[in-house]
Amino acid sequence: AQSVTQLGSHVSVSEGALVLLRCNYSSSVPPYLFWYVQYPNQGLQLLLKYTSAATLVKGINGFEAEFKKSETSFHLTKPSAHMSDAAEYFCAVSEVGGTASKLTFGTGTRLQVTL
Amino acid sequence: GAGVSQSPRYKVAKRGQDVALRCDPISGHVSLFWYQQALGQGPEFLTYFQNEAQLDKSGLPSDRFFAERPEGSVSTLKIQRTQQEDSAVYLCASSFLGSGRAGTGELFFGEGSRLTVL
Repeated sequence: AQSVTQLGSHVSVSEGALVLLRCNYSSSVPPYLFWYVQYPNQGLQLLLKYTSAATLVKGINGFEAEFKKSETSFHLTKPSAHMSDAAEYFCAVSEVGGTASKLTFGTGTRLQVTL
Repeated sequence: GAGVSQSPRYKVAKRGQDVALRCDPISGHVSLFWYQQALGQGPEFLTYFQNEAQLDKSGLPSDRFFAERPEGSVSTLKIQRTQQEDSAVYLCASSFLGSGRAGTGELFFGEGSRLTVL
C-alpha cells in the first residue's frame, strides 16, 4: 500500500521568504510523486511530478521538489514566496506499473503568504 | 470548453435522496477518475475508467455508489439513498494516457461538485 504524509496542515510565510512544504511517502515499489495546487473553488492543478528521471524536479510558478529515496521525502520549495502562492498544496503518490495515474493524496497543506 | 467540466457545481440533497453527478472530460482523454474530497482532507480515489471500461472501483465506499461511462466520454457518478457522511466535493479528473508504465500523464481535474446532504 502507498501513502503520503504532509507535515503541517497550515504554513505561513512572509512575502519574499522561502517556502518549504514537507511530504514523506511510503511505497512498496518505486513511486511516482506529484505536487498539486488547489486555489479556492478551483480544481487541482499539477505543479510538478517525479517519474524516476532527475531527482530535482522543476515545476511551474518557480516551484521545485527533490526526490530523496534515503529519506523517503519529496519536499516542495520555492525561494521567494509571492502573495499569489496562497493556496492548498497536495502531495500525491502513485505506483510504477500499477494504474499509474491513480493517485493517493496527502491531507494537504494550506499556505498563507503575509505582507 | 477545453477543461474538465462537472455539473452541478453545488447540490443539496435530503437524506435518502438519489443524486447524479456528471463529468465531461477533456475530449480524447482515455482515462477518467472520480475522487471524493471531504472537508479538510485530500482527495480519495473512488473509481477509474479506461474508455468505457471500469477497471477499478475499489474506492467506492458502499454499494450505494455507482459510476458509469457508457460511451467512453461523459461519466456519471450516482449515489443512491444519500447519507450525511456522503457530504463532500466529488472531483472528476481525466488523462490522455491509459494505465501502466505509460500512464504517468498529468491528471486534469474539474472544479468539483459539492454535495451537501441534510
